[in-house]
Amino acid sequence: QQQVKQSPQSLIVQKGGISIINCAYENTAFDYFPWYQQFPGKGPALLIAIRPDVSEKKEGRFTISFNKSAKQFSLHIMDSQPGDSATYFCAASRLYGGATNKLIFGTGTLLAVQP
Amino acid sequence: DTAVSQTPKYLVTQMGNDKSIKCEQNLGHDTMYWYKQDSKKFLKIMFSYNNKELIINETVPNRFSPKSPDKAHLNLHINSLELGDSAVYFCASSQKRTGELFFGEGSRLTVL
Repeated sequence: QQQVKQSPQSLIVQKGGISIINCAYENTAFDYFPWYQQFPGKGPALLIAIRPDVSEKKEGRFTISFNKSAKQFSLHIMDSQPGDSATYFCAASRLYGGATNKLIFGTGTLLAVQP
Repeated sequence: DTAVSQTPKYLVTQMGNDKSIKCEQNLGHDTMYWYKQDSKKFLKIMFSYNNKELIINETVPNRFSPKSPDKAHLNLHINSLELGDSAVYFCASSQKRTGELFFGEGSRLTVL
């Protein structure tokens, strides 16, 4: 019930294309769904996050789509750039109902954007 | 000015040794975490402290002992190191009830 499943494991996209990464969760108590971006040798950094009371959130070229009934959420990167090449992690937690933000991470997607 | 800093960045040590990793945050956050990232890049929470109080203690061997002397510092001591302890250990901090975790750059531990 604590798992967050992420796919694909790796993704190659041409510059200017759309990158799509999908995640699924089981625990309906989760109320916070962030995406983190990690470059080699660095720690993960928050990219964008969503709460389950909205179905979509957009920040620049990054959009989260959220489907509460299916218990799935996805990250769309529009106009993908070589600088977007990194590992992306989805995550989930019971932020608003828990004592602390215990993030459960997906397994990660290695994105390579080819010039 | 680094927000979450960890030392050392790299540790190479022999099996059976004891080692410590230190973490400091200057963001004024009240919650700190240790995460382990294995060779397949899987990130798993180990511990969380809120205002020096242990809140989360996942199923981690008791060879791992966190210590928070104050809310800006969280250290990790590992006894009797094993090969399987080789990983990158990340410290993170957040303000309680806000979502964003700020991660350090990690400490890569290699056990030979």
